[in-house]
Amino acid sequence: KAGVTQTPRYLIKTRGQQVTLSCSPISGHRSVSWYQQTPGQGLQFLFEYFSETQRNKGNFPGRFSGRQFSNSRSEMNVSTLELGDSALYLCASSSRVTPGQGQTTGELFFGEGSRLTVL
Amino acid sequence: AQSVTQLDSQVPVFEEAPVELRCNYSSSVSVYLFWYVQYPNQGLQLLLKYLSGSTLVKGINGFEAEFNKSQTSFHLRKPSVHISDTAEYFCAVGPITGNQFYFGTGTSLTVIP
Repeated sequence: KAGVTQTPRYLIKTRGQQVTLSCSPISGHRSVSWYQQTPGQGLQFLFEYFSETQRNKGNFPGRFSGRQFSNSRSEMNVSTLELGDSALYLCASSSRVTPGQGQTTGELFFGEGSRLTVL
Repeated sequence: AQSVTQLDSQVPVFEEAPVELRCNYSSSVSVYLFWYVQYPNQGLQLLLKYLSGSTLVKGINGFEAEFNKSQTSFHLRKPSVHISDTAEYFCAVGPITGNQFYFGTGTSLTVIP
């Protein structure tokens, strides 16, 4: 079974530009989450999508957005890039079901990440 | 809300020595507990998880962790480390339902030959 695939793996942008990152989850997983990883801050939750709907959102400015397609693939977009946006962006998929529809035991399965450098 | 504290940011240890990486969590609801490992330039890989039942959980690569509800801890242990265990280790809590996980800031384990 193929794992979580993230593209691109590395990219360099300049301040003020925008960027779109892509994530293909494990086949059959309908939940996709995004995390920002920076040294010293660890992993910070950005948002989670399930069946094309954003279920949860972390404490990030509106410049960070995402979406999910009917095939569960997800994209995240960062507009008006700032130097502080330089980070490893990790996507994770899960088989967890909709809250309230029973417990699941699904852990998160991570991709290798997209490393964004903003100059 | 939940939070995770990893008490040691860096842990150096000699090869074949035992190691313990400490993790404490805070949560107002029941949660699942996880340990992940991250090798350089890679994503996170699950080491082990606690869902329910026995408080001693065994994972991959010889790691184990013990869930202590009264102390809200989930420390990771390995009786004898190898050079290949050098990596970043993250403790995480996840809700019973939903997918908003909370991660600690990580512990960098360095195994010294």
